[in-house]
Amino acid sequence: ETGVTQTPRHLVMGMTNKKSLKCEQHLGHNAMYWYKQSAKKPLELMFVYNFKEQTENNSVPSRFSPECPNSSHLFLHLHTLQPEDSALYLCASSQDFGELEYFGAGTRLSVL
Amino acid sequence: QKEVEQDPGPLSVPEGAIVSLNCTYSNSAFQYFMWYRQYSRKGPELLMYTYSSGNKEDGRFTAQVDKSSKYISLFIRDSQPSDSATYLCAMSGEETSGSRLTFGEGTQLTVNP
Repeated sequence: ETGVTQTPRHLVMGMTNKKSLKCEQHLGHNAMYWYKQSAKKPLELMFVYNFKEQTENNSVPSRFSPECPNSSHLFLHLHTLQPEDSALYLCASSQDFGELEYFGAGTRLSVL
Repeated sequence: QKEVEQDPGPLSVPEGAIVSLNCTYSNSAFQYFMWYRQYSRKGPELLMYTYSSGNKEDGRFTAQVDKSSKYISLFIRDSQPSDSATYLCAMSGEETSGSRLTFGEGTQLTVNP
């Protein structure tokens, strides 16, 4: 285990559902990240939080909404997703922004 | 042109073979180079981390950086079936600038017993 825990591990949802992904890091890190991993594509950075403040939003559609209540927890709220949003969603953390990142196991999301 | 190019494979080798995985990049500002290993249904785990040019060895793994050619490699000696995974290269510029990691697409490796 890397110290970054993601739940749930698998999620199937319809296009009209609302769900949330959760990430918790036990490493005392200050920065947390959401990535999307699709087949045959590089990891796509979605959001960055540094000291609980969002510092980056890489043109992610508004149907994805992040929340970072403290530097140990990160959520990704999902609503009215599209089938093309099906992917592995990975959370990562680093001591500070731009430093080595440690990943969770991911949530495998399927949108029907 | 992608900032980081990595052959996605798949690459299949017999057990005991020497494996060479490579990435090329275009951004001369990159100075920190990482290799992550990702098993099926798992997140990426950091395998090797190097700064600037040169070699770094850790057990059966050797990471090599050639900044003049903008080319990095990961060598796996005496490959084992447990090495079967996807290997992702990643790189970034100066840490103080807060630059972000840029990942390659990943190379899928299978080591056959």
